[in-house]
Amino acid sequence: AQSVTQLGSHVSVSEGALVLLRCNYSSSVPPYLFWYVQYPNQGLQLLLKYTSAATLVKGINGFEAEFKKSETSFHLTKPSAHMSDAAEYFCAVSTGGGNKLTFGTGTQLKVEL
Amino acid sequence: DTAVSQTPKYLVTQMGNDKSIKCEQNLGHDTMYWYKQDSKKFLKIMFSYNNKELIINETVPNRFSPKSPDKAHLNLHINSLELGDSAVYFCASSDARGLANSYEQYFGPGTRLTVT
Repeated sequence: AQSVTQLGSHVSVSEGALVLLRCNYSSSVPPYLFWYVQYPNQGLQLLLKYTSAATLVKGINGFEAEFKKSETSFHLTKPSAHMSDAAEYFCAVSTGGGNKLTFGTGTQLKVEL
Repeated sequence: DTAVSQTPKYLVTQMGNDKSIKCEQNLGHDTMYWYKQDSKKFLKIMFSYNNKELIINETVPNRFSPKSPDKAHLNLHINSLELGDSAVYFCASSDARGLANSYEQYFGPGTRLTVT
């Protein structure tokens, strides 16, 4: 069985500050890990993915995430937050050929001036 | 060029009615999915089809019946709608053939279903 835990349902940062969204996973086999972003009233957009290549993964919009097997974590970071980053962020895990994505409960990011 | 499209975007209906949501993808993918996002924004997979064959069916009531006429389409029919069916339904697609960009799922814009 696979699962994802996202710590913090709401995160608030100041514009220009570091963004850190936490994700821990549980999987009995090597996982594929994803971060998706959902803007209000829109679908999900893939930010980045880990598929057993480099452990530091760079994505779109300046986001990156590091896969740490020893900590079973895949935290999402961005050095400097922008107002346009305000959205809901979902971490997801997939195993067994990638046919089933299991999502975390989401973290709503608020960016303040 | 919309990669994954859904119709309708909004659907308001009364309890007991039957409704359908359509999904089409033009990415050439071989696998399609339906997800349900509840009012707390929790996303859960409902169904997955690979080459028109059902491969995932997650404890969804029998009132929900997916249909895949071809690889590019996956429709969702819901019978006897209930208040609890109110949610946003997302269609997604992926290429599960082990190619470079496999396992990424591309999502449609969602269909907001409101049952009154």
